[in-house]
Amino acid sequence: EAQVTQNPRYLITVTGKKLTVTCSQNMNHEYMSWYRQDPGLGLRQIYYSMNVEVTDKGDVPEGYKVSRKEKRNFPLILESPSPNQTSLYFCASGRRTGKGETQYFGPGTRLLVL
Amino acid sequence: KQEVTQIPAALSVPEGENLVLNCSFTDSAIYNLQWFRQDPGKGLTSLLLIQSSQREQTSGRLNASLDKSSGRSTLYIAASQPGDSATYLCATSMDSNYQLIWGAGTKLIIKP
Repeated sequence: EAQVTQNPRYLITVTGKKLTVTCSQNMNHEYMSWYRQDPGLGLRQIYYSMNVEVTDKGDVPEGYKVSRKEKRNFPLILESPSPNQTSLYFCASGRRTGKGETQYFGPGTRLLVL
Repeated sequence: KQEVTQIPAALSVPEGENLVLNCSFTDSAIYNLQWFRQDPGKGLTSLLLIQSSQREQTSGRLNASLDKSSGRSTLYIAASQPGDSATYLCATSMDSNYQLIWGAGTKLIIKP
């Protein structure tokens, strides 16, 4: 089944404790992206990658790191989490079609930083 | 800078009604506009994509329209069902590089 998987799905942590949220896609997509979603706001892009070893900042990259060593994986790293990073995080991968670019989303990771 | 707005933030209607969800945007020079559905715990699913040269797209009971000159898109849902309950988000793209600008969504509840 074609899908984007994220782990963990739920995470409670404390300020300053490094964490990694994994993202994997099995569709051989070149494009991958991380978003955060907060109440009352639209999705905001954190980082994206157009291909292996190519990453770029989105709208809200502060406090986050990413890497793209393999096409299928795009982990999100919080080196020193803070309470303002409490949010719902989505990973997505994308492909180009005749109508435009289509993105496929993972189920989300709900993070609480105490 | 493009801004996307969805009003209302929440909507509750009885089953069977036809309904319209609204999306407005400030910059009419869009590349395309998409409507997504978000179900709790299941991520987002693309429903319809309207290219800038198109006026509407249809999929089953869903019809999305686009009026670039007025900066508006609507998502029409016919004969609503409880299974249509979800949050609906619209997003615009300004060029062909995957970058999307999102509205905050409309949470739709269909009452049986």
